[in-house]
Amino acid sequence: AQTVTQSQPEMSVQEAETVTLSCTYDTSESDYYLFWYKQPPSRQMILVIRQEAYKQQNATENRFSVNFQKAAKSFSLKISDSQLGDAAMYFCAYRSQAGTALIFGKGTTLSVSS
Amino acid sequence: GAVVSQHPSWVICKSGTSVKIECRSLDFQATTMFWYRQFPKQSLMLMATSNEGSKATYEQGVEKDKFLINHASLTLSTLTVTSAHPEDSSFYICSVVSGDRDSINFGPGTRLTVT
Repeated sequence: AQTVTQSQPEMSVQEAETVTLSCTYDTSESDYYLFWYKQPPSRQMILVIRQEAYKQQNATENRFSVNFQKAAKSFSLKISDSQLGDAAMYFCAYRSQAGTALIFGKGTTLSVSS
Repeated sequence: GAVVSQHPSWVICKSGTSVKIECRSLDFQATTMFWYRQFPKQSLMLMATSNEGSKATYEQGVEKDKFLINHASLTLSTLTVTSAHPEDSSFYICSVVSGDRDSINFGPGTRLTVT
């Protein structure tokens, strides 16, 4: 069974600074998807970024980028130029190619200070 | 991506009663929907996979007789919590697989409080 591990329960960053959230996963599959989701206080799940395992290039979405290390089974999220609105809980998630349900890590609560 | 709604957004019920939560795909016909449960400050745990026209597939440890899932149409899945108890109080979230099967969209969630 696949597992997703987020080892940082809480992280903090100052506005305009950069922060990196860690995620590791375990799988025996070669093709899969990885995601980072943001859950603000409203609790609506918001997709931040997605990575296909067969793509070597790291995904980027504006201020958000990932460092995908397939061999190491690592998938970290870097947030650049942090903004107050980035404060939320962030979940790393895995999705098999064969199935479609997401498997989530325990989450990292990010606080942003001015 | 698909727009997903849930109703109600918050429900309070008495212990021993049943409550139904609806998940609707507003702009897409969804053959597959997922139900998650989230306790405060914890992660989302998959409860079951709901497939239109067939029985739901429950994750290990989830009581299928307590959490009844019905996916009778391509736009609606319902989760009924039967004989609810205070420990069932949680945040329930549904998600929908979009047409290309690459995108998963989430509903806004339903907060259930059992008194």
